[in-house]
Amino acid sequence: DIQMTQSPSSLSASVGDRVTITCRASQTISTYLNWYQQKPGKAPEVLIYAASSLQSGVPSRFSGSGSGTDFTLTISSLQPEDFATYYCQQSYSTPKTFGGGTKVEIK
Amino acid sequence: QVQLQESGPGLVKPSETLSLTCSVSGGSISNNYWNWIRQPPGKGLEWIGYILHPGTTIYNPSLKSRVTISVDTSKSQFSLKLTSVTPADTAIYYCARGVVVVPDWFDPWGQGALVTVSS
Repeated sequence: DIQMTQSPSSLSASVGDRVTITCRASQTISTYLNWYQQKPGKAPEVLIYAASSLQSGVPSRFSGSGSGTDFTLTISSLQPEDFATYYCQQSYSTPKTFGGGTKVEIK
Repeated sequence: QVQLQESGPGLVKPSETLSLTCSVSGGSISNNYWNWIRQPPGKGLEWIGYILHPGTTIYNPSLKSRVTISVDTSKSQFSLKLTSVTPADTAIYYCARGVVVVPDWFDPWGQGALVTVSS
């Protein structure tokens, strides 16, 4: 199985801050990497697919980058509605696996 | 647009079989592939498996011996059965569409169904 490691596991930030979350795969996965946002009591929703493609309807303050084993999700200016947990997920091979999540909290 | 809705018992006894159904509306179940994903309360996400119409299935090896995913095209539904459950199987169970492009991703997801395993 491909292991996905996210860091940090949690962070505190203020509205307007630039936030960066990293995800590392245990082996190369090209750009087969997706990012999801999950708010309390809700299902995850895709933000970024194929490492850097913005899902339709997702604000442009979200961006993704990386290839191979190292990936980054960036929120350029954190908004109140962005406080949530973020997960990376590899779709390179089965079993499809997720990172452990990064909880973004209000500072 | 496509919408998914899980349904099934919220409480299952240990050693019994967990059964859930996902109803698909707004699109054809004959396209794309259909996944089950679970999340223990307060924890991360675990992919269980998928079915691709008309019946190709791929399961997570960690659950493979206990899982069956099936599809009923006439009802636009797909289902999950997990046998011999234990309290460790307590989780929110989500169904999700797998977009049939490469690379692929999960979108949309159902709202989730909490299943508790307890006597």
